[in-house]
Order: sequence, then structure tokens, then C-alpha cells
Amino acid sequence: KAGVTQTPRYLIKTRGQQVTLSCSPISGHRSVSWYQQTPGQGLQFLFEYFSETQRNKGNFPGRFSGRQFSNSRSEMNVSTLELGDSALYLCASSLEGVLSYGYTFGSGTRLTVV
Amino acid sequence: QQQVKQSPQSLIVQKGGISIINCAYENTAFDYFPWYQQFPGKGPALLIAIRPDVSEKKEGRFTISFNKSAKQFSLHIMDSQPGDSATYFCAAGSSRRTGNQFYFGTGTSLTVIP
Repeated sequence: KAGVTQTPRYLIKTRGQQVTLSCSPISGHRSVSWYQQTPGQGLQFLFEYFSETQRNKGNFPGRFSGRQFSNSRSEMNVSTLELGDSALYLCASSLEGVLSYGYTFGSGTRLTVV
Repeated sequence: QQQVKQSPQSLIVQKGGISIINCAYENTAFDYFPWYQQFPGKGPALLIAIRPDVSEKKEGRFTISFNKSAKQFSLHIMDSQPGDSATYFCAAGSSRRTGNQFYFGTGTSLTVIP
């Protein structure tokens, strides 16, 4: 069974640009969460989508947004990129919208802002 | 504010030794405590998890010890092997709130020396 797929794997963007990251969850999983991973802060929760609705949101500025499509695929958008947005962005999917062992991460998208 | 505090930041252990990683939390609403293992270039993968109704859970060489009154939990890796060299994250979440949202520790880089 295919895992969580994130594309692209690597991105280099210039400060001020915007970027869109994509996540395809495991088939049948309806919950998709996004995390930002940096060496100093670890994993920080961005937001969670379930059945096309944002259910939870972390403490990130409005430049960070997301959406989920009817097939559960999700996209995350960051506008007006800053140098500090350089990080590994991880997506995780789960079967139901509750804490479960089925919470599976993708390999992430490495974003570098120059 | 870091909801989950993890220590040490890095750990070097001889092959066959015991690796111990500690985490502490403040929010008493947390009732699910997973540990994740992350290898370079990969997303975190669930290793073992515990709920506060038990004080210890063992799966193979990995054991979680949980102290509810102290709001602390730890991961013990027995007979550590070079293949265990990875970054380990503790996390905490609450089933009382709708959806999936985990709070992660900042990670421990474990190196097992042959």
C-alpha cells in the first residue's frame, strides 16, 4: 500500500515569492496534517484538514494556508516567503480524525528560501 | 512555549548499551504519548506509544516508562544497535479535542557506536 507522498522533495525559492506544496495521503485516509520541522524548533504543527475542512490550526502567520480536495489530497501554500521559512515541511495522514496509531508521515518537502 | 520538553539533545551509546531519552509535559489534557524515529531524508515513523492508564509499555527492545504524577515519560532502548542511530521525537496529544494535533519535543540525536 502506497505511503504518504509529498511533492516536490526539494524547492529553492527567493524571498518574497510564494510556494505550493502537495501531499497525497494514504488511500482511505481523510485527515491530513502539516508540520514544519526546523533544527532548533523540532516539529511545529501548522494545520489539519479533515473532509475538506480545516479542523485545527497552529500558531503560524496567515501567510501559511492550506486546503484539502475531495480526494483528500492536500496542498499547503506559503506566500511572501521569508528566510526563516526554510524548513522541512511534513505532511501526515490518518484514517480517522482522532489520535491513532495510523498517523503516518511523508518524507517531506525541503524548502530553502534564499 | 514548548509544550513538550525533551532531553538530551544528543546521545552517544556503545553497542549493547541502554539509551534513555526523557520528556516532560505540562498539559494534563494530554492522554496519548507516541515516540517517533526519524532517519535522515525520511519522515518520522511511529515507534511506540502509550496512554496514561499504564505505567510502562514494552515492544521488543523499546520500552516507554510513564509517570503521570510527575508528568514525565521516557524511552528506553535496550541492547542498542548501530541501526538504532536516528533522531527520536517524543510527542503528546489530547483525544479530548477534535482531530489530530501533536506537540513534539525538539528531538534527540542518537548515535550508537559499534
